Amino acid sequence: DTAVSQTPKYLVTQMGNDKSIKCEQNLGHDTMYWYKQDSKKFLKIMFSYNNKELIINETVPNRFSPKSPDKAHLNLHINSLELGDSAVYFCASSQGTAVTEAFFGQGTRLTVV
Amino acid sequence: RKEVEQDPGPFNVPEGATVAFNCTYSNSASQSFFWYRQDCRKEPKLLMSVYSSGNEDGRFTAQLNRASQYISLLIRDSKLSDSATYLCVVNALDSSYKLIFGSGTRLLVRP
Repeated sequence: DTAVSQTPKYLVTQMGNDKSIKCEQNLGHDTMYWYKQDSKKFLKIMFSYNNKELIINETVPNRFSPKSPDKAHLNLHINSLELGDSAVYFCASSQGTAVTEAFFGQGTRLTVV
Repeated sequence: RKEVEQDPGPFNVPEGATVAFNCTYSNSASQSFFWYRQDCRKEPKLLMSVYSSGNEDGRFTAQLNRASQYISLLIRDSKLSDSATYLCVVNALDSSYKLIFGSGTRLLVRP
């Protein structure tokens, strides 16, 4: 059983397109995140949701729009993709308000050409 | 200044060696500290939490120095399977909902 699963695993698309990445967790956690890992391997938080409510938005361009239909799902939609959006996007989840351990999905490798 | 800083490495060591990684953090309000491990093209996974009293898990020992805002990880008797990137991670009190990651230290253990 995969605890945090995200799809797709790989995504290659052209500049200007719109794409979505889906994430689901079956751990019963109430907090979910999107992280971006760039080519230098630096992991940076983008968004955090707690019980479907947006908690953190780390100055991410508004081309990125997260949506949480329920606390087990957090999707990421990206409009007008740019070359600089190429990265690995990780979904994660944790329990409670004080993060003790975050469980990560396998990542989505996005390449914009 | 980055919130969490680590030596990027790589550290290239022979099997059986002892290797130490260091990390500094800038926010003195930080409350929780962790080491995560990330294998090539995989997701990060928790290796161990770091407590003020220091803690040990088999060959791994983590220590925290709050006064110096410094965290360390010691790996004894390195195995080939220890080859990975080790991420120093901090959770600040003023932002309970996020973990702040260092850029990671890459370890290569050679036969």
